[in-house]
Amino acid sequence: AQSVTQLDSHVSVSEGTPVLLRCNYSSSYSPSLFWYVQHPNKGLQLLLKYTSAATLVKGINGFEAEFKKSETSFHLTKPSAHMSDAAEYFCVVSASGGGADGLTFGKGTHLIIQP
Amino acid sequence: EPEVTQTPSHQVTQMGQEVILRCVPISNHLYFYWYRQILGQKVEFLVSFYNNEISEKSEIFDDQFSVERPDGSNFTLKIRSTKLEDSAMYFCASTPQAGQANNEQFFGPGTRLTVL
Repeated sequence: AQSVTQLDSHVSVSEGTPVLLRCNYSSSYSPSLFWYVQHPNKGLQLLLKYTSAATLVKGINGFEAEFKKSETSFHLTKPSAHMSDAAEYFCVVSASGGGADGLTFGKGTHLIIQP
Repeated sequence: EPEVTQTPSHQVTQMGQEVILRCVPISNHLYFYWYRQILGQKVEFLVSFYNNEISEKSEIFDDQFSVERPDGSNFTLKIRSTKLEDSAMYFCASTPQAGQANNEQFFGPGTRLTVL
């Protein structure tokens, strides 16, 4: 079984300042980890994924995340927030195994960007 | 760029009625999924579908639910007798390859189901 905890339901930052969205996971297997973003009235879009090739993963729009096994964390960061980053962000885990596995989502973090 | 599409974007129905939510996955994808998100709650896995049969399903996916790929392009979720608690956003997703847990799942924009 696996689970995901997103530690903040809302994060508010000023435009141009760093973003940190926190995620902790638990998994009985070697997990695959993802961050998805959902803009209003849009579908879920993949930001980045951890595939065990490198612990620091770079994604789209300047986001990156670092897999830390010792801390069971996969926090999402961006050096400088942009107004267009305002959205809901989901940390997601998939158990190793076949592609039939459903994804396990965190509750989401609503990112607010202050002008 | 290919994308997953879903229709309708919003469905309103009366309690006890049957609804069918429709999805068109990306054309060369092999695995298909349904998820739901009740307002204010997390996205939850319902079912996965491969080779014309259910691969996995969650506890939520009871006898009221069924899935079908009727014509090689559409992928449908049917709720036989809707309940108030079925009100949610329903997302369809697809992925191109089997056997890879780190495959990205491509999501549609969702159908908001409101049961009155």
